[in-house]
Amino acid sequence: QVQLQESGPGLVKPSGTLSLTCAVSGGSISSSNWWSWVRQPPGKGLEWIGEIYHSGSTNYNPSLKSRVTISVDKSKNQFSLKLSSVTAADTAVYYCARGGYDRKQRGGYYGMDVWGQGTTVTVSS
Amino acid sequence: AIRMTQSPSSFSASTGDRVTITCRASQGISSYLAWYQQKPGKAPKLLIYAASTLQSGVPSRFSGSGSGTDFTLTISCLQSEDFATYYCQQYYSYPRTFGGGTKVEIK
Repeated sequence: QVQLQESGPGLVKPSGTLSLTCAVSGGSISSSNWWSWVRQPPGKGLEWIGEIYHSGSTNYNPSLKSRVTISVDKSKNQFSLKLSSVTAADTAVYYCARGGYDRKQRGGYYGMDVWGQGTTVTVSS
Repeated sequence: AIRMTQSPSSFSASTGDRVTITCRASQGISSYLAWYQQKPGKAPKLLIYAASTLQSGVPSRFSGSGSGTDFTLTISCLQSEDFATYYCQQYYSYPRTFGGGTKVEIK
């Protein structure tokens, strides 16, 4: 059973860089899945940040693309998020998630079927 | 980006009620739609994908329908554990986008 666990600083200064890691256990990051980051500001809805495949291919939300980098470390079975030039608007719970794979679905993807518990990141001086 | 609009944004219901939540896409997305349930302080949980396919382990009182631009999530007999916020998400095109959420509260 695949499990995901986010880790990283809970407090980031304005204009700094937010860095989070998602450790994958119970399965391989080199499986046929996309690996995503999703965030949720306090009291608000969900926002998809981007995703990565084990090959290193990425897709990003254009609203964040200029500030986001998602990378994968197959040797550690984990993937990471970096968000630069953060402001208070980036304060949120950040989730990592696995894109489900079903070969009968177009591109294999069918939504995010495994999620980490989430980690709260506050941007404040 | 495809905009996903859910309605209502919140409502109250009683245990045993049949409830329906609507999700509308700003352009056609075929059946590339997922539904999630989120409880306070918890991560979202995938309920339905491909608009109508029940994720493994999800109770059969949950069902989804629709294609193109209009979709519904139905809970046939609301249970106490179903009081939560529900989100739709399209995966037809990038960026993947979510609806604003529908909060189901106890009447």
